[in-house]
Amino acid sequence: DIVLTQSPDTLSLSPGERATLSCRASQSVSSYLAWYQQKPGQAPRLLIYDASKRATGIPARFSGSGSGTDFTLTISSLEPEDFAVYYCQQRSNWPLTFGGGTKVEIK
Amino acid sequence: EVQLLESGGGLVQPGGSLRLSCAASGFTFSDNAMSWVRQAPGKGLEWVSGISGSGGSTYYADSVKGRFTISRDNSKNTLYLQMNSLRAEDTAVYYCAKVVVVVWYFDLWGRGTLVTVSS
Repeated sequence: DIVLTQSPDTLSLSPGERATLSCRASQSVSSYLAWYQQKPGQAPRLLIYDASKRATGIPARFSGSGSGTDFTLTISSLEPEDFAVYYCQQRSNWPLTFGGGTKVEIK
Repeated sequence: EVQLLESGGGLVQPGGSLRLSCAASGFTFSDNAMSWVRQAPGKGLEWVSGISGSGGSTYYADSVKGRFTISRDNSKNTLYLQMNSLRAEDTAVYYCAKVVVVVWYFDLWGRGTLVTVSS
């Protein structure tokens, strides 16, 4: 199985700051990686797919980059509603796998 | 309105069975593969199972293979998950998720249904 390792576990930042989240795969997933946002008590929401494509309705402050084994989700300027947990997910190989998540909290 | 609505969760004893349902609306159900994703209390997301739009292909995580069965009824716009031989570690919120046609990302999620396996 492909293991996705996210770092850091927690990111403490203030509104307006830039957030950089990492997802590393145990083997190449090409560009077949997505990012999701999950707020407490809510279902996840698709943000980015195929490493760098924004899903419908996702603000431009969210961007994704990377290929192979190393991927980054960047939030250019944190809004109050962006404080949440973020997960990466690969679709390169079965079984589909998710990373363990990065919590972005208010500093 | 485009939505997914899960039902069927509850408390079940170890070794017991439960069937989850997910009613879809607002999109052409048979055009999309579907999946179940679960989340244990306070933990991350775990993909459980997936099924193609026609129902002809199914996929399972190793942790549930042989115990869970995914199926769908396209005439009823409904997805199912039959869960047998349940274990304490199956305790989680189970989400139904719509796949982006046949590209295995999830662009629509239900609110989830809680399954608790305990004596």
